[in-house]
Amino acid sequence: DAGVIQSPRHEVTEMGQEVTLRCKPISGHNSLFWYRQTMMRGLELLIYFNNNVPIDDSGMPEDRFSAKMPNASFSTLKIQPSEPRDSAVYFCASSSRDRDGYEQYFGPGTRLTVT
Amino acid sequence: GNSVTQMEGPVTLSEEAFLTINCTYTATGYPSLFWYVQYPGEGLQLLLKATKADDKGSNKGFEATYRKETTSFHLEKGSVQVSDSAVYFCALYGGGSYIPTFGRGTSLIVHP
Repeated sequence: DAGVIQSPRHEVTEMGQEVTLRCKPISGHNSLFWYRQTMMRGLELLIYFNNNVPIDDSGMPEDRFSAKMPNASFSTLKIQPSEPRDSAVYFCASSSRDRDGYEQYFGPGTRLTVT
Repeated sequence: GNSVTQMEGPVTLSEEAFLTINCTYTATGYPSLFWYVQYPGEGLQLLLKATKADDKGSNKGFEATYRKETTSFHLEKGSVQVSDSAVYFCALYGGGSYIPTFGRGTSLIVHP
């Protein structure tokens, strides 16, 4: 298995631009998580999907952030408009409670820089 | 709600020294407990886990025992190597919640 795939690995954009981060979970996993990691705030859970349905989005910082999971093999996290304080590493993780218990498999992350 | 508290880092050790990273938790029910490791420039990866009280998780020379009476899951290694330099996260999952809870992470720096 290729593991969790994220793209792009690095993104540099200007304030006000739209940013879309992409994630392909491990085949057969039915839970997907988006996290944000910064030095100041550590690892924060943004949103959690189960069977493609958003279950908990209480961690989404504000309306500029949105996430979708149109099918079991793809998810996006969109920021519109982006701001410098959104600069962080964004991780996608997937899991299958039935297959692996609660273990999460993380992607390599997307490093976002907003100037 | 659930919470995980880890000792703050960085922890700086010489090669072959003994390592302990403390982790305590608060949760309802009986969560599963995990240690994840993050090497520079990479995502988190599972290091070890324990799913019930008194279970010991182990991997790559690291160990942690699920202590329900002290609500702890301390990470230990008898002899660290330079290659163990990374950030270590304690986490819990379950215990009445389907949302994972991570600690703040502890940076480990091992000098030759």
